[in-house]
Amino acid sequence: DQQVKQNSPSLSVQEGRISILNCDYTNSMFDYFLWYKKYPAEGPTFLISISSIKDKNEDGRFTVFLNKSAKHLSLHIVPSQPGDSAVYFCAASDSFTSGGYQKVTFGTGTKLQVIP
Amino acid sequence: EAGVAQSPRYKIIEKRQSVAFWCNPISGHATLYWYQQILGQGPKLLIQFQNNGVVDDSQLPKDRFSAERLKGVDSTLKIQPAKLEDSAVYLCASSPRTGVGSNQPQHFGDGTRLSIL
Repeated sequence: DQQVKQNSPSLSVQEGRISILNCDYTNSMFDYFLWYKKYPAEGPTFLISISSIKDKNEDGRFTVFLNKSAKHLSLHIVPSQPGDSAVYFCAASDSFTSGGYQKVTFGTGTKLQVIP
Repeated sequence: EAGVAQSPRYKIIEKRQSVAFWCNPISGHATLYWYQQILGQGPKLLIQFQNNGVVDDSQLPKDRFSAERLKGVDSTLKIQPAKLEDSAVYLCASSPRTGVGSNQPQHFGDGTRLSIL
């Protein structure tokens, strides 16, 4: 049961252009959404998050959009840089139905390649 | 602030052998997670501790996997006996104490890459 889905395994973008990474979820009880970035041989690094009560959160070049009715979120990177080349994981958590603790479910990841 | 420390970084064993991984979370973080990441997949939660108590081990194969968190700080994950399908990266993560409506991002270690021959 894949509750968090990233349907694009890879994405290539030219340097300076916008990168858009997409994520869909099925569990309507998710109340917190996160994006992590992962370089080879390293652990995932937290990038940006959004609460279910918001529809947009921005941090520098990174913006996350949440569409609760469509159960869809996206990560926009503008402008894209070669150092952004990594695997991006979407994650979602549900703290209300998990006995009061935060239970996080990850997607399968999208490999972004930014071409110089 | 020191990050999450894991050891060893790499481990190669034969099937049916045993192996143990160690994790030292960020100081003061109450919640500790162990994830299994198989190539091409996202991290899958194996077990979650809040201080030294287990709050979720529903996806831990308890016939071969075990984990403990002594004194609510360091943690070890053990596999005995290992199977070929256990080949994966084992990630440890920690976060400050979480609760209903109180969400925190997780901080990950660099993982242990396990290969089963």
